[in-house]
Amino acid sequence: NAGVTQTPKFQVLKTGQSMTLQCAQDMNHEYMSWYRQDPGMGLRLIHYSVGAGITDQGEVPNGYNVSRSTTEDFPLRLLSAAPSQTSVYFCASSYDDRAASYEQYFGPGTRLTVT
Amino acid sequence: AQSVSQHNHHVILSEAASLELGCNYSYGGTVNLFWYVQYPGQHLQLLLKYFSGDPLVKGIKGFEAEFIKSKFSFNLRKPSVQWSDTAEYFCAVNERTGGFKTIFGAGTRLFVKA
Repeated sequence: NAGVTQTPKFQVLKTGQSMTLQCAQDMNHEYMSWYRQDPGMGLRLIHYSVGAGITDQGEVPNGYNVSRSTTEDFPLRLLSAAPSQTSVYFCASSYDDRAASYEQYFGPGTRLTVT
Repeated sequence: AQSVSQHNHHVILSEAASLELGCNYSYGGTVNLFWYVQYPGQHLQLLLKYFSGDPLVKGIKGFEAEFIKSKFSFNLRKPSVQWSDTAEYFCAVNERTGGFKTIFGAGTRLFVKA
């Protein structure tokens, strides 16, 4: 299994450009999340999904859109990039084990710079 | 709103020193608690988790954590750190019922001097 994969690894955007960060998992996990990691602020939840067709907002959803048309894929869209969105973005997947603990499996991250 | 607080943002230790990283959370219900670790150049991985039973949980690489419900705390400990423990450590919480949504603390950067 490849686990959780993210593309691209690095991206530089100009203010106002749009782009999609890709995330895929091959573990048949129901749950998927997007986080951004900023120095001194840890990981902040952007959006999450509890199954195909179901998404919800996290702590910092503004400026980002998501959709979940399949179990495997959970893309994150930046509609109009801003310098404040410069960050490292992590995708994670999870499943409901018998203990309902929802341990998460993370991808390698995408480092995004907006100039 | 739910939150997770990690007390130290940066910790520097010498090899063989003992480690304790603090974590407090604010959640009203029954919770699952996690410590994740991010080694330099690698992505986050689970160090240990608590979901029920013995409040003292043991994880990989000699780490352990104790859940103290009355203090809303889940501190991470290791009796003797190694240079290879240099990493960033994140405490995280989710609610047991309907609880996939997970909130992370700000992280603690640990540097271990050889």
